Amino acid sequence: DAGITQSPRHKVTETGTPVTLRCHQTENHRYMYWYRQDPGHGLRLIHYSYGVKDTDKGEVSDGYSVSRSKTEDFLLTLESATSSQTSVYFCAIRPRDAYEQYFGPGTRLTVT
Amino acid sequence: GQQVMQIPQYQHVQEGEDFTTYCNSSTTLSNIQWYKQRPGGHPVFLIQLVKSGEVKKQKRLTFQFGEAKKNSSLHITATQTTDVGTYFCAGMNSGYSTLTFGKGTMLLVSP
Repeated sequence: DAGITQSPRHKVTETGTPVTLRCHQTENHRYMYWYRQDPGHGLRLIHYSYGVKDTDKGEVSDGYSVSRSKTEDFLLTLESATSSQTSVYFCAIRPRDAYEQYFGPGTRLTVT
Repeated sequence: GQQVMQIPQYQHVQEGEDFTTYCNSSTTLSNIQWYKQRPGGHPVFLIQLVKSGEVKKQKRLTFQFGEAKKNSSLHITATQTTDVGTYFCAGMNSGYSTLTFGKGTMLLVSP
């Protein structure tokens, strides 16, 4: 367990509503990542952060924004949720002096 | 951008049989990592390979990194029901900042 929590764990929302998912870590890791996982697509990187207020886009960033105002929290926001954003969202961290990633438990988001 | 292909997508074996999944990248990789995800769970890091031609073993699991650092394989000897899950390879970009995951191989083991 890498001390990563995600909230909420499950959410159902309607098309057009804003949604924010939270990733919280307790070990002061610099790198944090947001992925989505869909059947047939594996894990795809949405955004990542390499420090407070330092973020960059991943492969599937359209429709998503992120913020990191504190080391321990990395927020993923869907400004106006669409049905295509129904997915399981995983947060991950990368420890200092290492390249592997450790994942949180995931958030299952359903957009109706 | 970098692409990582993984085959097969799915394999169903009898307990005791061997299993292999293959990973190929469109570009040379800085390193390659392998993860396992149990049904309903999250991906869990297994191992990292860095050097050309590297071979690493973890009990019944053998991991290889190709000479050109563009392909890799995971071989499981004598599968057990506890091996069930999806195995992902992930290639690290040249900037050492992000991973590109393959789509995974789902392994089902029948007793």
